[in-house]
Amino acid sequence: AQKVTQAQTEISVVEKEDVTLDCVYETRDTTYYLFWYKQPPSGELVFLIRRNSFDEQNEISGRYSWNFQKSTSSFNFTITASQVVDSAVYFCALLDSNYQLIWGAGTKLIIKP
Amino acid sequence: DSGVTQTPKHLITATGQRVTLRCSPRSGDLSVYWYQQSLDQGLQFLIQYYNGEERAKGNILERFSAQQFPDLHSELNLSSLELGDSALYFCASSVVEYPYEQYFGPGTRLTVT
Repeated sequence: AQKVTQAQTEISVVEKEDVTLDCVYETRDTTYYLFWYKQPPSGELVFLIRRNSFDEQNEISGRYSWNFQKSTSSFNFTITASQVVDSAVYFCALLDSNYQLIWGAGTKLIIKP
Repeated sequence: DSGVTQTPKHLITATGQRVTLRCSPRSGDLSVYWYQQSLDQGLQFLIQYYNGEERAKGNILERFSAQQFPDLHSELNLSSLELGDSALYFCASSVVEYPYEQYFGPGTRLTVT
């Protein structure tokens, strides 16, 4: 069965700390895609990154970085030097071959000033 | 702003009633997806349309239906509403059906009283 697990329900850090959000997935598909989305308090879902199963290169975008490891079925997200504006709920999702996005439960990130 | 628009932003209605949620995808996007986000169920995929045709179905109740029109906008119809249907309903769009990232609208918050 396809599944995405975000074990961290809530994380609270002080501004400027680095923080890593964990995502573990399960799939039998050999080709699949992984995503991260951000949901700030305003409610909209903002696309952050897409990664396909045959590209294990890590990705860095400014203060954001992603570590994809097929061996452990993980796709973790790190924010470096966190800022208050990073406070949001972050979702990891798996797109399977049936065109369905399967979502993790989300991790609520609180950045304290 | 993702370019996906949804109306109305808020909807309050009574049990047993019927409502229609509307979505306009980003310019050029052919695929539209509907999702439900509730506190107990999290984010769930409901249904997907591609260029007017239904492509995938998720956890959509029989009381719910959707369609995509020739101008590519989509409507989600919810009937015989129950208290448990209260949720945030998102529409998303993507250029093609798979596997590109989906861009989400601001959502419609439905409250059933």
